Amino acid sequence: DTGVSQNPRHKITKRGQNVTFRCDPISEHNRLYWYRQTLGQGPEFLTYFQNEAQLEKSRLLSDRFSAERPKGSFSTLEIQRTEQGDSAMYLCASSSTKQGAPPFGQGTRLTVV
Amino acid sequence: QQQVKQSPQSLIVQKGGISIINCAYENTAFDYFPWYQQFPGKGPALLIAIRPDVSEKKEGRFTISFNKSAKQFSLHIMDSQPGDSATYFCAASRASSNTGKLIFGQGTTLQVKP
Repeated sequence: DTGVSQNPRHKITKRGQNVTFRCDPISEHNRLYWYRQTLGQGPEFLTYFQNEAQLEKSRLLSDRFSAERPKGSFSTLEIQRTEQGDSAMYLCASSSTKQGAPPFGQGTRLTVV
Repeated sequence: QQQVKQSPQSLIVQKGGISIINCAYENTAFDYFPWYQQFPGKGPALLIAIRPDVSEKKEGRFTISFNKSAKQFSLHIMDSQPGDSATYFCAASRASSNTGKLIFGQGTTLQVKP
């Protein structure tokens, strides 16, 4: 499968715990995006990387959230001290600089109990 | 606030009918408009996209109509099939800067009855 890959697919955690998600983009894509989608809503932009540089962060990305893309390949999204309001689908997408709409991965469904 | 407004919220169509979903945007800087299809538990999948230099784009049974002056665009699904039952999202971005930074509509849940 040469698409965007996300792991894990599902994560259940207790409130206050830290969680980390991984995204492996399509190999030749230099841009990587994170989105969050709550039930019944469209995805909302969180942040994006061009190569290893994080170029933009949404106001939705509180200081409990941190994203990295070491070496410009895979990316991780960490949520510290999870809250019930963090329960959502976290989506990753990737693209090349001149590409149109990016393909998305299957997402990681986070449930905070 | 940059917004994309989508309607209707839900839609029921008979097999073989035409499904029509509408979107309106506010920011005239938007110049790239994709549509995504999403099945439950899956990520959104790109269906078709349009730039404002054309008024219509067709791919198979899917057609986007674009009205730049009204800042509106719509998705038409011809000969709708039960397998088209999914949630559809319109989106907008600024191709000049970053097509991947998308503003999504609220989604339309389509049910195609056999």
